[in-house]
Amino acid sequence: DTAVSQTPKYLVTQMGNDKSIKCEQNLGHDTMYWYKQDSKKFLKIMFSYNNKELIINETVPNRFSPKSPDKAHLNLHINSLELGDSAVYFCASSQDPPGGGNEKLFFGSGTQLSVL
Amino acid sequence: KQEVTQIPAALSVPEGENLVLNCSFTDSAIYNLQWFRQDPGKGLTSLLLIQSSQREQTSGRLNASLDKSSGRSTLYIAASQPGDSATYLCAVRGSNYQLIWGAGTKLIIKP
Repeated sequence: DTAVSQTPKYLVTQMGNDKSIKCEQNLGHDTMYWYKQDSKKFLKIMFSYNNKELIINETVPNRFSPKSPDKAHLNLHINSLELGDSAVYFCASSQDPPGGGNEKLFFGSGTQLSVL
Repeated sequence: KQEVTQIPAALSVPEGENLVLNCSFTDSAIYNLQWFRQDPGKGLTSLLLIQSSQREQTSGRLNASLDKSSGRSTLYIAASQPGDSATYLCAVRGSNYQLIWGAGTKLIIKP
């Protein structure tokens, strides 16, 4: 069983479109994250939710909107896609939020987004 | 501002060798440091997490050390195997709980 699963694995779309990436974890973790990995392979946190509550919101365009219907799911919706949004997006989860003691991260396999 | 650097960017060694990967960080006020591996087309796998109060952590053939005062961590891999080939990333959690990542070291173990 996949612990953290995200779909789709690949997403190719035109500029200006709206798209969503879904993430689910079956580890019973309380905290979930979205990371963006740029072309230089640096990972940058975008959002984090703990028990469906937003706890980290980095400087991300408001075209990006996370939604957590329950603590096992954290979806990422992107409006009006731009060329610069092309990257690999990773979902992750941890038992505790940052600083909570058990913050070992478990990652999904990534979604490669290409905006044409 | 915390910066994390991993040198070298790439490393190729014959199978069976012991090797060391390096990670350095500019601000010693860290909460913890983690090592991950990333395989092509797959997500990241957490290898070891060292709390700021610890000096090292071990898991199987892997040993990670932490020297906060010098801003360094090393990941030691004993008796390397082709299956160890991957990109290894270190990430530092600062006092503000932000996770700052290095760009990784791409490791190739030649059979």
